[in-house]
Amino acid sequence: GAVVSQHPSWVICKSGTSVKIECRSLDFQATTMFWYRQFPKQSLMLMATSNEGSKATYEQGVEKDKFLINHASLTLSTLTVTSAHPEDSSFYICSAELTDRNTGELFFGEGSRLTVL
Amino acid sequence: QKEVEQDPGPLSVPEGAIVSLNCTYSNSAFQYFMWYRQYSRKGPELLMYTYSSGNKEDGRFTAQVDKSSKYISLFIRDSQPSDSATYLCAMQQGGSEKLVFGKGTKLTVNP
Repeated sequence: GAVVSQHPSWVICKSGTSVKIECRSLDFQATTMFWYRQFPKQSLMLMATSNEGSKATYEQGVEKDKFLINHASLTLSTLTVTSAHPEDSSFYICSAELTDRNTGELFFGEGSRLTVL
Repeated sequence: QKEVEQDPGPLSVPEGAIVSLNCTYSNSAFQYFMWYRQYSRKGPELLMYTYSSGNKEDGRFTAQVDKSSKYISLFIRDSQPSDSATYLCAMQQGGSEKLVFGKGTKLTVNP
């Protein structure tokens, strides 16, 4: 099946620094990728939709200047958490949809655990 | 009312039991229904994907959709300790990329 790789799987950083998380589709092309965050005991929350070659679409309440998303190629999207603060500590997950299918089937990365000290 | 409601559990069952997981929804425009399994500290993995009302079976797993009642279920037969995970339902409108997730139900299967 299709594989989505997410890196790093965990990261610890100091408050005020920026952290970049990568999401790669390893064996397929993904025009669209999605970024979620998950707090303990809560559902996945869609943060933004990342479209190759264009600006990301952010969900209401998500600060686009804080969570920078770049989808420069059909296999890579990056999420940069700028000036991270402890409240940004969370589990971030990406998913990708096969370009040639529009059936809602998504393939998820393993997630990245961010801890901001 | 939330678009998707899912009882968060937790649910604890003995090995070999039949497990029933459920979600209800309010948006009649949802056309695609999915169940994901998420192990601790991992991303969700797609278990079942259904479109129409009715049952879909895959091994020990059966997904059931009742659009008239806006109710979906996932049944796990002969449950195993390795089934212990959080199960998320998700739904999608036709023509939309956005998935709406339930909160997830944490399942523990005891040996």
